[in-house]
Amino acid sequence: GENVEQHPSTLSVQEGDSAVIKCTYSDSASNYFPWYKQELGKRPQLIIDIRSNVGEKKDQRIAVTLNKTAKHFSLHITETQPEDSAVYFCAASQGSNYKLTFGKGTLLTVNP
Amino acid sequence: EAEVAQSPRYKITEKSQAVAFWCDPISGHATLYWYRQILGQGPELLVQFQDESVVDDSQLPKDRFSAERLKGVDSTLKIQPAELGDSAMYLCASSLNPQDNEQFFGPGTRLTVL
Repeated sequence: GENVEQHPSTLSVQEGDSAVIKCTYSDSASNYFPWYKQELGKRPQLIIDIRSNVGEKKDQRIAVTLNKTAKHFSLHITETQPEDSAVYFCAASQGSNYKLTFGKGTLLTVNP
Repeated sequence: EAEVAQSPRYKITEKSQAVAFWCDPISGHATLYWYRQILGQGPELLVQFQDESVVDDSQLPKDRFSAERLKGVDSTLKIQPAELGDSAMYLCASSLNPQDNEQFFGPGTRLTVL
């Protein structure tokens, strides 16, 4: 089955700096890659996603890039703010049922 | 804004007891998912329903876990008997259909087995 590796497991940045989280996947048939943000004690929420026919997608301060050849994708957050502090999960979708396999998460801390 | 509802939010039980969790997806969402999230890890799919049918339960420990979605709307996940290793957050999610991809998560049920 699919295996998704996520790095780093923790990331601490100063407010205003950029943050980058990277994921690799094993199944070349995976075609959909969402990123979820989970604040402490709250439900995961989709923040951005990308499909395999696109190399990059941007939404305000958040961007995602996909390299299908290398089977990795990354989340980029610019001008970080304290409210960006949360756990971020990447995932990859595969199979006829579009099953999502999640990474183990990255705890992002933005220091004021 | 419509949200996925789950109850209870917290459950403490002793090992060997039975527990049940309930999920009400967003109205009109045909696909429903149950995930288990162990502390410090990402959600792991336990079972996926399309309407009332199970389409993936490959990671569901069927000797003790069961799930149903009888009318294709709300769903129940049961554990009997509960074991210490079942302590985790149980998340329900729904989507319009699998191809729609975007899954909306509920607040989860935090299970503690003593």
